[in-house]
Order: sequence, then structure tokens, then C-alpha cells
Amino acid sequence: NAGVTQTPKFRVLKTGQSMTLLCAQDMNHEYMYWYRQDPGMGLRLIHYSVGEGTTAKGEVPDGYNVSRLKKQNFLLGLESAAPSQTSVYFCASSRPRGQASYEQYFGPGTRLTVT
Amino acid sequence: AQSVTQPDIHITVSEGASLELRCNYSYGATPYLFWYVQSPGQGLQLLLKYFSGDTLVQGIKGFEAEFKRSQSSFNLRKPSVHWSDAAEYFCAVAPLSGNTPLVFGKGTRLSVIA
Repeated sequence: NAGVTQTPKFRVLKTGQSMTLLCAQDMNHEYMYWYRQDPGMGLRLIHYSVGEGTTAKGEVPDGYNVSRLKKQNFLLGLESAAPSQTSVYFCASSRPRGQASYEQYFGPGTRLTVT
Repeated sequence: AQSVTQPDIHITVSEGASLELRCNYSYGATPYLFWYVQSPGQGLQLLLKYFSGDTLVQGIKGFEAEFKRSQSSFNLRKPSVHWSDAAEYFCAVAPLSGNTPLVFGKGTRLSVIA
């Protein structure tokens, strides 16, 4: 059971380049999330998904797009990277709310630098 | 809107000393409450959570937290800190139902000195 995995672990982009971050989970979770973490800011939610084919905006969605074509995968795309998107990106997954077992499981993170 | 406040940005304690990290939340009803820990360069690991029932919750690594409804608080405690506890700690809340995402505090960085 790998849990939540993220690809790649590190990436350096030039301003204007595009890339896709891949998140995969093998726990059959319905919900998936993308966060960014910046010093002193905690974790901020970018986008999330409550099921295959559905996505919703979080706190800081601008400049990002997401897709959830398969239940186990959640992709985060940057169409035109900007230096302000330099950050550590975390993916998480969970079961639906309303259960005692509810909690979010996190991936190891992707460190992205945009120059 | 929900909010989570961790008033202490950085705390330094001596190894063997007790620890209390504060967390206050703003929400109309009792929510899910969580504490996560993040070691340097790592992802977040769940320490403990409160869903209902006994307001004193035991977690991993010897941590515990107490839910106090009257104070809207969920403070994390450990009786004797080890050097390996140095990390960043995040409190988070979520309503008991619906799709509103988890809301995280900004974190408290714990340093442990000999």
C-alpha cells in the first residue's frame, strides 16, 4: 500500500513554461486535494475534488488547473509558470466526511522552483 | 467562515520539558479537529484527531490533545519532549458533514534544545 504518491519530487521551470504534477492514491478515496505550502503561510488549498470528473476551487486557484479523470489520480497543471508559483506542493486524499475514520492522507510533496 | 489560529509561530523547549501548543478555532458547531506534524522536507503526518466523545485524545508519539468547547480550543500536549519532536505542527478543522475543505492553521515550529 503506497498511500499517496506524487510525481515529480523536484522540478525547476523557467517563467512561462508549463508542467503537470501527478498525484496518485491507492486507498480508493473519493476526495483528493492540492495544497501549496509557503513559509509562514501554512497550507493553502488550491483545488479539490469530491469524485471522479468533479473539481472545485480552493483558496488560491489562480494560475492552476486540475483534472480528475480517474478516481485514483488528481493532476495539477501550471499552464504558464510564474515565479510566484515557486512553492512546495502537497497532494492529499480522504474518504467523505461524516465518518469517524475521516482524515486526510498526504503525499511527500513536490518542490517546484520557477526562475 | 471557519478559521484556525495557532498563536505561537515558534516555540523552543528543552529536551525533557513539557510542551503545549495552542490551537483556537472559529466555527459554529463542533468540528473535526486534527493535529498534523511535518518534519523537515517531509509531508504531513496525522498525530491525532477529535471526532466526538472523550475530549482528551491520545495520539501517536506520546502526544495528546484536549478539546475544550467553551474555549474553542484543541491544544496539543506532550509531557516530555524528545529532540526528534523538532518539527512543524499544524492544527486543522473541518465541519462534520459536507464538502467544505479542511482549514489549516499557519503552523507552530518547535525547536528542541539540549
